Amino acid sequence: DAGVTQSPTHLIKTRGQQVTLRCSPISGHKSVSWYQQVLGQGPQFIFQYYEKEERGRGNFPDRFSARQFPNYSSELNVNALLLGDSALYLCASSLEGWNGYTFGSGTRLTVV
Amino acid sequence: KQEVTQIPAALSVPEGENLVLNCSFTDSAIYNLQWFRQDPGKGLTSLLLIQSSQREQTSGRLNASLDKSSGRSTLYIAASQPGDSATYLCAVTNSGYALNFGKGTSLLVTP
Repeated sequence: DAGVTQSPTHLIKTRGQQVTLRCSPISGHKSVSWYQQVLGQGPQFIFQYYEKEERGRGNFPDRFSARQFPNYSSELNVNALLLGDSALYLCASSLEGWNGYTFGSGTRLTVV
Repeated sequence: KQEVTQIPAALSVPEGENLVLNCSFTDSAIYNLQWFRQDPGKGLTSLLLIQSSQREQTSGRLNASLDKSSGRSTLYIAASQPGDSATYLCAVTNSGYALNFGKGTSLLVTP
């Protein structure tokens, strides 16, 4: 079985631009979560989706948005990029969101 | 608000040593606790998941314990190897929605 897949692996954007990151969960997993990890810190929770509904949101500005599709894949969108948005963005999938998570390899976003 | 602390922040040991990594959390009403490994610039690899009703989990040379009442978990690594060098992250789930992570312990095992 394929694990959690994220695309792209690396991305360079200019301040003010918009970016879309993609995630495909493990087959059968209905929950997808997004995390932001800046250098030297633990990952910070951004969103969780379960059965295509938003089930939780972290302390991030409205520039961050996400959605989950009928096949349970997910997109994270960030508008009006700031230098501080440069980070590793991690996607995690779970059967139901509370019984353990599997992470993808992440998307490294650099904003210049 | 759940706060997760990991001590030490960094650790260097010679190959073959047994070692313990510590994790503490402020809100004991957790669903579970999960230990992850992260290699530089990479994603997270799940090592062990302990449900709130469990006391410990073992996988190979790894053993994780959970004392929910005191808000503590330890990850024990036996007979460390250079390949164990990585950052180890502890995370707890309270509401079932989000993982709350510590900042991690950076481990270096020297040959």
